[in-house]
Amino acid sequence: GAGVSQSPSNKVTEKGKDVELRCDPISGHTALYWYRQRLGQGLEFLIYFQGNSAPDKSGLPSDRFSAERTGESVSTLTIQRTQQEDSAVYLCASSLMGAPGYTFGSGTRLTVV
Amino acid sequence: DAKTTQPPSMDCAEGRAANLPCNHSTISGNEYVYWYRQIHSQGPQYIIHGLKNNETNEMASLIITEDRKSSTLILPHATLRDTAVYYCIVLDAGGTSYGKLTFGQGTILTVHP
Repeated sequence: GAGVSQSPSNKVTEKGKDVELRCDPISGHTALYWYRQRLGQGLEFLIYFQGNSAPDKSGLPSDRFSAERTGESVSTLTIQRTQQEDSAVYLCASSLMGAPGYTFGSGTRLTVV
Repeated sequence: DAKTTQPPSMDCAEGRAANLPCNHSTISGNEYVYWYRQIHSQGPQYIIHGLKNNETNEMASLIITEDRKSSTLILPHATLRDTAVYYCIVLDAGGTSYGKLTFGQGTILTVHP
């Protein structure tokens, strides 16, 4: 596609439920990143994919968070047993080797009530 | 990654040049300087990057001091749509965009009519 697409754009869930957030990167982009941005805060790195493998998952805050990527394309970020502190905008970005800069999606706004 | 220091906020009159400074005194020889901005409720947008030479594109100019310890992003004719948070980031990725971005607090630029 023309840009990085994330779905859903908004998600409200009850505390304790599991959620899945989806990212469709730009076609052909081999690198994919997930970031989190809490209200009024800066961006926090979560995980980086190169192809389908994740050489850097150092930013995942707990074992409730996991992510996978298949077909060197779509990625899903799963949060199990959601907590109120998980409320944030989750941003996905992709990049192509040799091209400057990442392209970010518009994010998924997650609200845990 | 080297850390950056930016003023928390700046104002600029519409039509005037906006000059956003960034200090990165511990930058190493293979680290690039990247600039992104984030307009309210959107994902970050890549602006420009450089290693040691000044760079210009359709969005902005980047001036890097000879010792590489600081840089300035210049928006030559600021418009109201340039109101955003501007992030200066150093990245050891050989300019290929691999590697995670570490976002600081950035500079909130407000462009006034």
